[in-house]
Amino acid sequence: DAGVIQSPRHEVTEMGQEVTLRCKPISGHDYLFWYRQTMMRGLELLIYFNNNVPIDDSGMPEDRFSAKMPNASFSTLKIQPSEPRDSAVYFCASRPYRGTGYNEQFFGPGTRLTVL
Amino acid sequence: ELKVEQNPLFLSMQEGKNYTIYCNYSTTSDRLYWYRQDPGKSLESLFVLLSNGAVKQEGRLMASLDTKARLSTLHITAAVHDLSATYFCAVDPNTDKLIFGTGTRLQVFP
Repeated sequence: DAGVIQSPRHEVTEMGQEVTLRCKPISGHDYLFWYRQTMMRGLELLIYFNNNVPIDDSGMPEDRFSAKMPNASFSTLKIQPSEPRDSAVYFCASRPYRGTGYNEQFFGPGTRLTVL
Repeated sequence: ELKVEQNPLFLSMQEGKNYTIYCNYSTTSDRLYWYRQDPGKSLESLFVLLSNGAVKQEGRLMASLDTKARLSTLHITAAVHDLSATYFCAVDPNTDKLIFGTGTRLQVFP
């Protein structure tokens, strides 16, 4: 199993530009989570999907952030327009259907975003 | 509001010593997870604790869960430099989400 795949691994952009982060969950996993990690705020859950449907987006900081999951093997997190305070590491995680095992989340390698 | 508190936040310990990291949480839960994060890397699952009294061990790390006390511990035995990392506990409050603690940054020195 390839694990959760994220791209790009690093992104440097200028303020005001659109940024798109991509995630491929582990095959067969029903849940996908987007997190943001910073030194100041720690690990924050932004949004999660169940069977491609957004369930809880209460962690999305503002309307500049949007996420989609068009199919079971692909999700995007978009920031438009980006701001320097969006600089962080963004993680994608997935897990199988609740009740089929340990329910642990498996994290991707992350995308380190720097907004200048 | 569900809270997950870890202490200490920072831990600097000498090789060969023992220490315990504590994870307290504020709601009922039967599932607790420990993750490890190396600097600049992702989170890696270490332990999954599924019931009261559960104990799991891997090498120099041992995790336990007391659901009645809402407490989990991660015990480090005879620390070595390779254990230097940030350790997170995460609680499953019987929803789809995990609630993560603030993390404990462990540094092991010679």
